[in-house]
Amino acid sequence: DVKVTQSSRYLVKRTGEKVFLECVQDMDHENMFWYRQDPGLGLRLIYFSYDVKMKEKGDIPEGYSVSREKKERFSLILESASTNQTSMYLCASPPLRNPLNYEQYFGPGTRLTVT
Amino acid sequence: AQTVTQSQPEMSVQEAETVTLSCTYDTSENNYYLFWYKQPPSRQMILVIRQEAYKQQNATENRFSVNFQKAAKSFSLKISDSQLGDTAMYFCAFMKHGPGANNLFFGTGTRLTVIP
Repeated sequence: DVKVTQSSRYLVKRTGEKVFLECVQDMDHENMFWYRQDPGLGLRLIYFSYDVKMKEKGDIPEGYSVSREKKERFSLILESASTNQTSMYLCASPPLRNPLNYEQYFGPGTRLTVT
Repeated sequence: AQTVTQSQPEMSVQEAETVTLSCTYDTSENNYYLFWYKQPPSRQMILVIRQEAYKQQNATENRFSVNFQKAAKSFSLKISDSQLGDTAMYFCAFMKHGPGANNLFFGTGTRLTVIP
């Protein structure tokens, strides 16, 4: 059974703190994604990675960075958390590009509150 | 750029009845995939159904079916015999086909409530 896990379900941090959100997948996938989910806005892509040490900006990268040191782990970093980064964060990993199997598997999400 | 529009923020349906959720999209791509994802209160995103744009036949998965109109760029989801467990947020999503990382473009979601 394929699995994408995220380090925390709920997280509360203070403004200005450095925050790490971890995502781990056990499917040996190259591609990993970080999305942010907000009411009325759906899911928006923050960053993605298509290989170890490779990363690309998504639609809303400002205020975030990422790290991919190992294939199975993709970290989202808030260098200095702000209240407007209070949100739900979802990690996803699809299989290799294969027209017969392109489903994205999502983690359970981390609800981050910045106070 | 791709955009996905879900014009119904909230909908409700009586148990055992049928409901249709709307989705339109805009793209200049010819080859792509469309998806409906379900997010129940547990927050776990679950793939409900997918459609390849090159296929004319509408996809079906048990009680879930789609009405894919490529020319109109419309991709609606029909849920038949609604069950209480269908209560969830439903997201329509688009993915390009071809080289490059296959990220999803999501609509804003429709919150569906199934009423007993």
